[in-house]
Amino acid sequence: ETGVTQSPTHLIKTRGQQVTLRCSSQSGHNTVSWYQQALGQGPQFIFQYYREEENGRGNFPPRFSGLQFPNYSSELNVNALELDDSALYLCASSPGQGWTGELFFGEGSRLTVL
Amino acid sequence: RKEVEQDPGPFNVPEGATVAFNCTYSNSASQSFFWYRQDCRKEPKLLMSVYSSGNEDGRFTAQLNRASQYISLLIRDSKLSDSATYLCVVNDRGFKTIFGAGTRLFVKA
Repeated sequence: ETGVTQSPTHLIKTRGQQVTLRCSSQSGHNTVSWYQQALGQGPQFIFQYYREEENGRGNFPPRFSGLQFPNYSSELNVNALELDDSALYLCASSPGQGWTGELFFGEGSRLTVL
Repeated sequence: RKEVEQDPGPFNVPEGATVAFNCTYSNSASQSFFWYRQDCRKEPKLLMSVYSSGNEDGRFTAQLNRASQYISLLIRDSKLSDSATYLCVVNDRGFKTIFGAGTRLFVKA
């Protein structure tokens, strides 16, 4: 158990809707990264948050946005859902900005867009 | 060119076999390197870090060649429980960790 928790574990949405996914980081970790993993692919980096600010972003459109709260928990918001957004969304926490070691993942939120 | 490229697999091997996975990365400034293991429909978990001097953990050996930007993982005496997807992972100066697409391994009795 990593101590990283994500919710919800599964959800189904329709095209055009909006979704919010939540992540609680491991105790003592102030950095959260979000990844999208499509079926048969590796996790793709969406963005990272450090002390409530976005600290790096992958190649995802602006309809993917996030927040980090003072307790270091985080949300991923996706607007105007598309079929290709169907994936496992993984949250990973780490001890700080510039961390080059192991990432600690939650179990993920599996999103299906119909 | 992808930032991290791996053998796509799948690799189908009998129990007891030795199997090797390869990976290349594009950013010569990458700082740290890992192999993660991912079981079906689960989150990735760290298998081992990879160092330039090479490192071993039981039946698993990892190698890094910075000049060639190449990482490898060798699994000896494969077990049924080794069946999983193996992800090659590179950390890009701390703010972004990049995963390869993964190599699927099936170990059969």
